[in-house]
Amino acid sequence: KNEVEQSPQNLTAQEGEFITINCSYSVGISALHWLQQHPGGGIVSLFMLSSGKKKHGRLIATINIQEKHSSLHITASHPRDSAVYICAVRWGPGYFGNEKLTFGTGTRLTIIP
Amino acid sequence: ETGVTQTPRHLVMGMTNKKSLKCEQHLGHNAMYWYKQSAKKPLELMFVYNFKEQTENNSVPSRFSPECPNSSHLFLHLHTLQPEDSALYLCASSQFGATGELFFGEGSRLTVL
Repeated sequence: KNEVEQSPQNLTAQEGEFITINCSYSVGISALHWLQQHPGGGIVSLFMLSSGKKKHGRLIATINIQEKHSSLHITASHPRDSAVYICAVRWGPGYFGNEKLTFGTGTRLTIIP
Repeated sequence: ETGVTQTPRHLVMGMTNKKSLKCEQHLGHNAMYWYKQSAKKPLELMFVYNFKEQTENNSVPSRFSPECPNSSHLFLHLHTLQPEDSALYLCASSQFGATGELFFGEGSRLTVL
């Protein structure tokens, strides 16, 4: 079974700071998702990646397949970035279904104005 | 229309009640999912439907009964629940065989008294 660990569990930072959230997993995967969950409960998919790096606005996601590790970075953080960030890995090479998704417990990010 | 819509957003029920959660997706996807999110725990996959056929039942108790009448609608029928079933229930959809990116609804927060 694939284990997914996120760190830190909680992170509080000042507005404008550079944020890094980490995700490690234990076995080979076909893709990794970064998700954002706001206090109301809804979840938004931020990135899905299987190699390298992706960027969207102030968000950057990287993955190192050899080291089984991914990071989510937020530049120029803002209070509206406050949310829970969840890493999920899809295991099984070449498999595109989502039955084999394993989720981390999430990182709660709070950005103080 | 938002991509994935869940109703009701909040539900309080007694242990002897029968209620249903509804999910509707307007994205033309062919796969739909029910997830359970309890406090301090990762998302847990409950059921998966691909092309209206149930392809995964993740050892869910029979007091939860899913129904997928067509590829756009998914229900979760609830009966004789226990207080420990209180959680956020999230519906998601994706296009099986494509990238596998997940699109979530806002969730239905269930409280069992």
